[in-house]
Amino acid sequence: AQKITQTQPGMFVQEKEAVTLDCTYDTSDPSYGLFWYKQPSSGEMIFLIYQGSYDQQNATEGRYSLNFQKARKSANLVISASQLGDSAMYFCAMREWGQNFVFGPGTRLSVLP
Amino acid sequence: DAGVTQSPTHLIKTRGQQVTLRCSPKSGHDTVSWYQQALGQGPQFIFQYYEEEERQRGNFPDRFSGHQFPNYSSELNVNALLLGDSALYLCASSQTTSGEETQYFGPGTRLLVL
Repeated sequence: AQKITQTQPGMFVQEKEAVTLDCTYDTSDPSYGLFWYKQPSSGEMIFLIYQGSYDQQNATEGRYSLNFQKARKSANLVISASQLGDSAMYFCAMREWGQNFVFGPGTRLSVLP
Repeated sequence: DAGVTQSPTHLIKTRGQQVTLRCSPKSGHDTVSWYQQALGQGPQFIFQYYEEEERQRGNFPDRFSGHQFPNYSSELNVNALLLGDSALYLCASSQTTSGEETQYFGPGTRLLVL
């Protein structure tokens, strides 16, 4: 069974608008971490934001915020005020305690001028 | 503060050959993980090294092996290359001793097997 699901293969957003990238996960472990990475066409995976399963508040990092809904097992990434440089692949990943990262299939975001 | 570095950036090999990829972790990091990313897919975990030992391994055959050196740098070796081994190979480093969970990735090595 897929542990990480990203249902949007591709998304378009107008420059300066906000966009939400969906991620749902599957785990029975109470201790886990959720991560979002950005991968431009150059290939490097760039860390964006982290949410721990016990964190009470949603994580934020600059223009990135994570909408963490634990009961629904979702960890959506919100990018505010999109910029042309945000065009890239975005991967959601999970790490259960003592295990390694499992990545979703990714969402390709295109920011339109 | 040097980030994760990988070499070479690109590599072309033929079936049956062997390849070695190299990775230097981010300064202060002691753990290295390797991932294979096929075109259009998310990265797949190969294995992780900590204290010069393989700590965890994903679902990859024994043709994939690795090593970690005392300076925490690491190598990924792939023997008897197959066409299906063509992929982007990513190295990620983290710091086990501090409990920091986040992995930081290098730019990757693009391997093409002909």
